[in-house]
Formats: sequence, C-alpha cells, structure tokens
Amino acid sequence: AQTVTQSQPEMSVQEAETVTLSCTYDTSESNYYLFWYKQPPSRQMILVIRQEAYKQQNATENRFSVNFQKAAKSFSLKISDSQLGDTAMYFCAFIGNNDMRFGAGTRLTVKP
Amino acid sequence: GAGVSQSPRYKVAKRGQDVALRCDPISGHVSLFWYQQALGQGPEFLTYFQNEAQLDKSGLPSDRFFAERPEGSVSTLKIQRTQQEDSAVYLCASSLTSGVPQGRSGNTIYFGEGSWLTVV
Repeated sequence: AQTVTQSQPEMSVQEAETVTLSCTYDTSESNYYLFWYKQPPSRQMILVIRQEAYKQQNATENRFSVNFQKAAKSFSLKISDSQLGDTAMYFCAFIGNNDMRFGAGTRLTVKP
Repeated sequence: GAGVSQSPRYKVAKRGQDVALRCDPISGHVSLFWYQQALGQGPEFLTYFQNEAQLDKSGLPSDRFFAERPEGSVSTLKIQRTQQEDSAVYLCASSLTSGVPQGRSGNTIYFGEGSWLTVV
C-alpha cells in the first residue's frame, strides 16, 4: 500500500512571506497523481494544486507551486506572499490506480 | 447536483445505535471513496467503489462498518452498534474516471462537506 508522510505537524509564517510544506511518499507505481488539499475548520477539502507523475515540469497555481522530485519521492508545496486566508490544515495526497491516500496534515498559521 | 452531497451533516448517536450516512456523488462519476477523519488527523481510507463494485474495503476498521452503492450512484456507509471511537467526520469523494488516466489531465477528486458523527 502507498504511504504519504508529512513531517511538519505545525508551521507558521508571517503575512506576505513564503513558506514551504514538505511531503514524501512511497509507492511502487510509475503513474500516479499527487495533490495538495487545504482544509479549513469547516472540514471541506479544497484542491490547491495537482501534479501528474509523468510530467517533469512542476505545477504552479497562482501563489502556489510544487517542487516534485520523483526519484526522491518528494512533493513539497510552496506558498508565496502568504495571506491570512491561507491559515488551514494542508494535506498531501497520492492517487494511484484505485487508491487515494493522505498524509497526516500540516497545520499552517499565517500571522499578521 | 453540482457537487458531492452528504447527509446528514451532523449526527449524534447513542453508543450501540446503528447509523447510516449517505453520499450523493456528482452525476456520472464512476469512482467513489469513503474516508474517516478523526479530530486532528488526516483522512483515513475506508473503501472504494468503481460504479457498483466495491473494489477495495481494506480500510473498514471492523465488521461493524458496511458500505454499499447498489446502483452505481448513491452510496451508504452503515455503522452498526456505534462506539465512541467511531466519532469522526466521514468524508465522501467522487471522481469522473477510475484509476489514473493516461496522458491527460483530469480525474479531479471532489469531496463532500462530510458527515460529522458524535457517539455519546
């Protein structure tokens, strides 16, 4: 079974600064997707960014970008120009064939 | 509907009571997932359906948990003889296709707002 590890339970960043959340995963599959989801207190899972494993180019979505290192099985999320509304739990997720697994999450607090 | 719909949103059950949680995926979505998320934890995989077929139920924690999707659309997660450790948010998610599509973007996973279960 696939495993997803987020080693930072909590992080904080000053408003307008940049923060990087780390994620590593383990799989024997060669084709898969990786995601970062944001979860506010309402528990709604909001897709932040997606990376296809067959693409070498790192995905970017406005202030959010990833550093995907396939050989190292690493998938970090960089948030630039952090905003107060970015405060939430962030989950890294892996989807392979019929299998989607989440990390334990990182609680991010953006401080004014 | 436009999104994944779950009901009830909130459920308080007495220990030993049976509960049923419903998930209405986006129309036409093939894949459906159930997750259990305890307070302060990440979502834990429970089970996966491809249309009406339950392809993976390895995450169901005990035989008190049962899920079905008889017509390949609406799914129900049933918990029998609830216990306090069953208290969690139960998330349902669906996606248009199954597996990992080749050579194209897509297969976004859409989540419902969850069913919050508290067992007292």
